[in-house]
Amino acid sequence: DVKVTQSSRYLVKRTGEKVFLECVQDMDHENMFWYRQDPGLGLRLIYFSYDVKMKEKGDIPEGYSVSREKKERFSLILESASTNQTSMYLCASSFARPTPEQYFGPGTRLTVT
Amino acid sequence: KNEVEQSPQNLTAQEGEFITINCSYSVGISALHWLQQHPGGGIVSLFMLSSGKKKHGRLIATINIQEKHSSLHITASHPRDSAVYICAVRSLGPGGGADGLTFGKGTHLIIQP
Repeated sequence: DVKVTQSSRYLVKRTGEKVFLECVQDMDHENMFWYRQDPGLGLRLIYFSYDVKMKEKGDIPEGYSVSREKKERFSLILESASTNQTSMYLCASSFARPTPEQYFGPGTRLTVT
Repeated sequence: KNEVEQSPQNLTAQEGEFITINCSYSVGISALHWLQQHPGGGIVSLFMLSSGKKKHGRLIATINIQEKHSSLHITASHPRDSAVYICAVRSLGPGGGADGLTFGKGTHLIIQP
């Protein structure tokens, strides 16, 4: 079974803090993704990576950065957390093209106060 | 950018009813995914399809590429089918967030005993 794990299920941080969200997959997938999910907006792509040290901006990259130093691990970084980054964050991974199925982690519910 | 519309947004039905959830999109795609999200956040991929029809147990997914439309059907619905069902598409070529998916806002389904 494919396993995508995220470092925390729930996280509470203060405005201005630096926040790290970690995602690990055990299926040797090339692609990894970070999404955020908000009521009424659905899931939106923040960043994705198709190889180690490679990253591409998604639809809403502002206020976020990512790091992929190892194939199995993809980190999402909030340099200075703000209240509008309170959300559910979901990580996913997949093999490369042509039409890869994405496997999702359990999600991290982040609250910024 | 692909626009993905799902209907209905909310659906409450009685156990045993036949359920249909619809998804339409605006731009040609390479694949369409149906996802299920239970309370607590975890997302599971139900189907990935690019043409025709797929069936898994009581779930059936169909896609009409010409009409840019897909449906998810649940036969003999059961309370454990209660979840949010999400349609997601991977667009052809640039414009769909590259390998990232574009998601519908989801359909919140409740099956009452």
